[in-house]
Amino acid sequence: KNEVEQSPQNLTAQEGEFITINCSYSVGISALHWLQQHPGGGIVSLFMLSSGKKKHGRLIATINIQEKHSSLHITASHPRDSAVYICAVLSGGSNYKLTFGKGTLLTVNP
Amino acid sequence: EPEVTQTPSHQVTQMGQEVILRCVPISNHLYFYWYRQILGQKVEFLVSFYNNEISEKSEIFDDQFSVERPDGSNFTLKIRSTKLEDSAMYFCASSGQGSNQPQHFGDGTRLSIL
Repeated sequence: KNEVEQSPQNLTAQEGEFITINCSYSVGISALHWLQQHPGGGIVSLFMLSSGKKKHGRLIATINIQEKHSSLHITASHPRDSAVYICAVLSGGSNYKLTFGKGTLLTVNP
Repeated sequence: EPEVTQTPSHQVTQMGQEVILRCVPISNHLYFYWYRQILGQKVEFLVSFYNNEISEKSEIFDDQFSVERPDGSNFTLKIRSTKLEDSAMYFCASSGQGSNQPQHFGDGTRLSIL
């Protein structure tokens, strides 16, 4: 069973700050998702990665397979980035089942 | 951009009743999923579905639950004899062929059992 841990649980930042959210998992995986969940509950997929680094706009996701660790970075943070960011992993033995972390609540103040 | 749609957005049901949650996955996707999020807790996997059968299911997905793809577009989750602890947000997701395809989520159905 894969355990997915995120840190920090809560993060408050000022607009413009550089944000880092971390995710660690216990068992080898085939892929990792970063997801965004806004108040009201809808989930949006930000990235899916299995190695290296991906960038989309102000968001950057990295993964280190050997260390079983991934980070999500937000550059030049904005109040509209305020949301819960969730790490979820596809374990190596399963193409289907995502295991989720508890999420990081990010609040960006103007 | 194509999206996964779920109906209803909110369902209120008396304990013991049956509910059906509906999802329309992205049209060319082949894999379908249901997840659950109890208020304040993390999202949990319920079931995955491919080629008209269940691919994988969690311990949560017991005989109370069933899934169906009744036609070419809908994917449903049925919960029989609902209990108070079934109150949660239920998310449908779909993905394309291959393990390197991301899962796309719907906005969820909030199920409240009274």
